[in-house]
Parts: sequence; C-alpha cells; structure tokens
Amino acid sequence: SQQGEEDPQALSIQEGENATMNCSYKTSINNLQWYRQNSGRGLVHLILIRSNEREKHSGRLRVTLDTSKKSSSLLITASRAADTASYFCATVQISSGSARQLTFGSGTQLTVLP
Amino acid sequence: DSGVTQTPKHLITATGQRVTLRCSPRSGDLSVYWYQQSLDQGLQFLIQYYNGEERAKGNILERFSAQQFPDLHSELNLSSLELGDSALYFCASSVGTVISGNTIYFGEGSWLTVV
Repeated sequence: SQQGEEDPQALSIQEGENATMNCSYKTSINNLQWYRQNSGRGLVHLILIRSNEREKHSGRLRVTLDTSKKSSSLLITASRAADTASYFCATVQISSGSARQLTFGSGTQLTVLP
Repeated sequence: DSGVTQTPKHLITATGQRVTLRCSPRSGDLSVYWYQQSLDQGLQFLIQYYNGEERAKGNILERFSAQQFPDLHSELNLSSLELGDSALYFCASSVGTVISGNTIYFGEGSWLTVV
C-alpha cells in the first residue's frame, strides 16, 4: 500500500515557470523525502525533511512540511526542460517493521515545455 | 552515477522460470533495499538487509527471496515467474537506515519481462 499520494498526477508548464507538487500521507512520519525519476531510470534523492522541520531549501527546490495536515509540497522554481521527470514523495513512518521503510507515493509526472 | 550497480539491466524470460538479480551497493553502505516498480502497483518495498541480516520485509512474494553476502552485495531470486512479475526491480543502498534519516541511493534497475 502507498502511504503518500501526490497531486497532481501530471503537470505541464512552460520553461521558466514554477512547478508545485503536493504530497499527502496518512500516518505519522519520521521524515519525508522527495525523489526524481527520469523515464525508466533510477530514482535520485532530492531532499529530506524531518518531522520537526517546516521548510527546507536546496538550490531551486523548496520543500515544506505540514504535519498537522499530513502534507508536503515541492516547489521547483524557474523550471527548465531538464526538470522533466517523475517526482515522488516518500515517507518513513513512526512505526515498526517494514513500515519503517521508505514508502513511495504514486508520483507526479512533470513536463517542462521549452 | 549513484554508485549502486545492478545486473543484468534487461532480461526476458518465460513463465515458470527463475532469475537472479544482482546488486552491488555503494562502497561503505551496509543497508541494501529491493524495490519493485510496475505500472499498476507503483514502487513497492520488497525487503531490506543490513550487514548481512534481513532487517525488514515488505510486499515480497513467497516465490521471491533475497540474501546479502559477506561482501555486502545482494541477490534477489525470483522463481516460478508469472506475467505479472514483469517490472523494474531496483536495488538501493544506504550507510544506515532510513529511519535515521540516511539517504538511500538507487541503482538503475533491472528490467524484467516475463513472456
């Protein structure tokens, strides 16, 4: 089962615009991570935000976390065609056993048009 | 390049057969994870090993098994293959565990097609 659900499922924007993707999850988490996947390739870690953090930045990426709403957002500013990829949120639950693993959402397919 | 190496990159096999996927983690990483990615199920956690011992099991079928060897490389064995096992299988590794906030690094995956 998937803990996180991304919204929207697909997003198409023009180069230079900002892209915002949202992730909602169901149970309390230890941390939340965002990954990027180019078509048919491996996943690349983008950023990790812990449950006691509200916002983190990394280059053109900005991640927010609202634990009261069980949601996170990923903002990519000044998007480029090379940002075209699928973006996944992944959560690590405060639980035991296999739940303490990265559980991925269904992803947002971002297309940046030149 | 994540430093995680998976072989083979692609394989096609028939139903009922058995295959072995191999993974070499990043140098120094003790944890190895296996994930399955398919169109209908998305990314599913299968199993984790830490320094040779099984640490956690996810949605891994009984027909599948894995192990981590003393040199820390890992193998995922898939047997009695069915059409529905066709998927991209990822190996990932990390120094410690994700609950500790460690980043996990993914390999490029092994594409399995069962015909």
